[in-house]
Amino acid sequence: EDQVTQSPEALRLQEGESSSLNCSYTVSGLRGLFWYRQDPGKGPEFLFTLYSAGEEKEKERLKATLTKKESFLHITAPKPEDSATYLCAAVYGGATNKLIFGTGTLLAVQP
Amino acid sequence: GAVVSQHPSWVICKSGTSVKIECRSLDFQATTMFWYRQFPKQSLMLMATSNEGSKATYEQGVEKDKFLINHASLTLSTLTVTSAHPEDSSFYICSARDGHPRGEQYFGPGTRLTVT
Repeated sequence: EDQVTQSPEALRLQEGESSSLNCSYTVSGLRGLFWYRQDPGKGPEFLFTLYSAGEEKEKERLKATLTKKESFLHITAPKPEDSATYLCAAVYGGATNKLIFGTGTLLAVQP
Repeated sequence: GAVVSQHPSWVICKSGTSVKIECRSLDFQATTMFWYRQFPKQSLMLMATSNEGSKATYEQGVEKDKFLINHASLTLSTLTVTSAHPEDSSFYICSARDGHPRGEQYFGPGTRLTVT
């Protein structure tokens, strides 16, 4: 069964304390992996797409990496405004590019 | 770029009535739109996939007669929850992508439905 698992479920960091979020997947015919940020009561905001193992992408304090079995979202020197739920989603489903989401990591960054 | 809007942002309706939610891609043509629902503290669950001008494809366990989806144009898809019941109360989110093979999915802000 296709599955995406994220860990930890919740993470509390002090401002400036770097860490990584994990997304492991077992998806047949994986076409890519997306990372999103979701604030409470809002839709997911697109962050990154990764297509092949070894690929890395960066945006401000965030860096996403991909291996054949998992992806990491590294957060360097986080700020309180980085507090949100981070979702990863695996792309499958042929031409329609359907997404299967993980359950998310709730990140809280304290000043 | 890549902005997706939803309307309304929240709606309260009485049990037994129907509610329509609109999803629009504002600055690109969406060949495919997706509808998700999200329960509190849970992740997004795909309900259905719709391509412009054709019938929607529903995920297993989603009642197509209850959740009517119409994708009449390249910028608009609608979800109608028919004969709503309290258990249909949820956060409904749409997403859209263009026809590029590696096109990302961009999400709307969501619609909070409460059925009383």
